[in-house]
Amino acid sequence: AQRVTQPEKLLSVFKGAPVELKCNYSYSGSPELFWYVQYSRQRLQLLLRHISRESIKGFTADLNKGETSFHLKKPFAQEEDSAMYYCAPTGGGNKLTFGTGTQLKVEL
Amino acid sequence: DGGITQSPKYLFRKEGQNVTLSCEQNLNHDAMYWYRQDPGQGLRLIYYSQIVNDFQKGDIAEGYSVSREKKESFPLTVTSAQKNPTAFYLCASSISPPGEQYFGPGTRLTVT
Repeated sequence: AQRVTQPEKLLSVFKGAPVELKCNYSYSGSPELFWYVQYSRQRLQLLLRHISRESIKGFTADLNKGETSFHLKKPFAQEEDSAMYYCAPTGGGNKLTFGTGTQLKVEL
Repeated sequence: DGGITQSPKYLFRKEGQNVTLSCEQNLNHDAMYWYRQDPGQGLRLIYYSQIVNDFQKGDIAEGYSVSREKKESFPLTVTSAQKNPTAFYLCASSISPPGEQYFGPGTRLTVT
C-alpha cells in the first residue's frame, strides 16, 4: 500500500522567506502526485498536480523519483499562504493516499 | 461554492444508532469518495465509487456502508459497529478516478 510522509506538522516562516513543505511517498511505480490545500473556513481544494508542471500561486513541486519525494516550494511566502497542506500520491489502485498534512503559518 | 454538497453540517447521535450522511454532486462526475478526517491523521479513505451501482472499500471501511444508486448521490451510513464514529467526514468527487477531487464542506458527526 502507498505510504505518504509529511514530517512537519507545523511549519512557521516569516513573510518573504522561502517555504518548503516536505513529502515522501513509498510507491515504487509511477504515481501521480497532488498537493491539496485547505485555507481557513474553506473547502479542501487542489493546489497543483505534478503532471501539469504548473506554478500555482507561486508554488511549484518537483517529483524526485530517486528520492521518492514531491516537496512543495515557494520562494517568498505570503501571509495568505497560511493554510493546511496535504500531499496525496496515487498508487495501488484508483485512489489517493493523503498525508497527515502540514500546517503552514506565515508570520509578519 | 455549489457543485458538491453535504448535509447536515453538524450531526449528533446516541451511541448504538445508525446514521446516514448525505453527499450530492451536480458536476456530472463518475467517481465519488468518502473520507474521514481526524486531528493529526490527515484524510483516510472509507469508500469510493467509480461508477453507479459499484463501490470499493477504502482503507477504513469497517463499520461503514455506502450505496451508489444515482450518479449524483453517494450516501454514507455510519453503523453502530463503528467503534469511534465521532469525526469530520468529507465527501469528494472527480470526473474519473483518482483525478482532481472536488470536496464538499464536510459533516461533523458527534456520537455520545
